[in-house]
Amino acid sequence: SAVISQKPSRDICQRGTSLTIQCQVDSQVTMMFWYRQQPGQSLTLIATANQGSEATYESGFVIDKFPISRPNLTFSTLTVSNMSPEDSSIYLCSGAPGMNTEAFFGQGTRLTVV
Amino acid sequence: GENVEQHPSTLSVQEGDSAVIKCTYSDSASNYFPWYKQELGKRPQLIIDIRSNVGEKKDQRIAVTLNKTAKHFSLHITETQPEDSAVYFCAAKHTGNQFYFGTGTSLTVIP
Repeated sequence: SAVISQKPSRDICQRGTSLTIQCQVDSQVTMMFWYRQQPGQSLTLIATANQGSEATYESGFVIDKFPISRPNLTFSTLTVSNMSPEDSSIYLCSGAPGMNTEAFFGQGTRLTVV
Repeated sequence: GENVEQHPSTLSVQEGDSAVIKCTYSDSASNYFPWYKQELGKRPQLIIDIRSNVGEKKDQRIAVTLNKTAKHFSLHITETQPEDSAVYFCAAKHTGNQFYFGTGTSLTVIP
């Protein structure tokens, strides 16, 4: 299994600013994903972070708003840009070591935009 | 992408009874179906998974069944205990390797 360390665990940010969330995996993982989860709700996939190429975004999410980096097989960042209160949510990173393996999760970042 | 539906959204059972949660998926090419348990304020944790070449899998009190023809899979928890209380999510792995999650089931086990 893989252990994913995500930081920050929580933050309160002013609207119009940006926050970068980092995820570090203790082993190489082929796939990394970023999710958004409103309290009490399901996990909504934002994008798949691809090593060595641009991230693949789901419908409703765009690179200008959620730029993603994946410089190697153990690390990824998600930036929430030009934040508004509607961006307040829990953001989770996830990694899957192989094609048909489970996905492991970071502990999440609880973001509040004021 | 994949569309995963999950029912029920809430479920209350008496301790010792069984709980069943059902999910359907839309993409017949999806081939891997994990179930996650998420306790309040915690990250989702895998509890059991099943691959498309298997119809049923069991791990102690937890079992999962898969019907590929009907595109649905179910989680069965027997002899429920208060510590089983949590939110449970099903997921389907799409051919593009993304994981899409169901809407979640809040399970309460009443002592």
